[in-house]
Amino acid sequence: DGGITQSPKYLFRKEGQNVTLSCEQNLNHDAMYWYRQDPGQGLRLIYYSQIVNDFQKGDIAEGYSVSREKKESFPLTVTSAQKNPTAFYLCASLGTGPQNIQYFGAGTRLSVL
Amino acid sequence: QKEVEQDPGPLSVPEGAIVSLNCTYSNSAFQYFMWYRQYSRKGPELLMYTYSSGNKEDGRFTAQVDKSSKYISLFIRDSQPSDSATYLCAMKGGTSYGKLTFGQGTILTVHP
Repeated sequence: DGGITQSPKYLFRKEGQNVTLSCEQNLNHDAMYWYRQDPGQGLRLIYYSQIVNDFQKGDIAEGYSVSREKKESFPLTVTSAQKNPTAFYLCASLGTGPQNIQYFGAGTRLSVL
Repeated sequence: QKEVEQDPGPLSVPEGAIVSLNCTYSNSAFQYFMWYRQYSRKGPELLMYTYSSGNKEDGRFTAQVDKSSKYISLFIRDSQPSDSATYLCAMKGGTSYGKLTFGQGTILTVHP
């Protein structure tokens, strides 16, 4: 099945710890995105990558880091500098058709212990 | 002021009702408009995609865009309990990298 796989589904972070969220796609899409979703705030863009080995900050990049070493993979690290990491994190990739539709994974829910 | 404003609800309607969901926006550069549906603890899925003013219909769903008023709507006819979800409006300008700006999402519950 083609799609976007996010893991783990649930993740807990201890104080001062860095955690990494995985996002893998087998859709052969070039562009990938990370969003954070909080209740009542919709989706906010953290980072995006248009191509391998290149990425740009979104609207709320502070306290996060990413890498894009392979086309299929776009992991997100939530660092200890992110003081309020509890949220639902969504990964998306951009289709190549004329409509440029974003397709989403099932999300990772991160909580602080 | 946020670029996209969406009434977060929650909205509760009886089965069979017509539902109207709305978003306003302030950025004239937005050219493409989408509605995503998100079930609890799942990722959003695209429901409707439009790029011109007017109406677009798909089954029980109608998307309406009024660019002159900077206003978009999603209508759901004959609503069903399975329509219970969060509905997110999203929009983007004409750039190729596809950055979306989302509304806050409206939580809809359709009760039998």
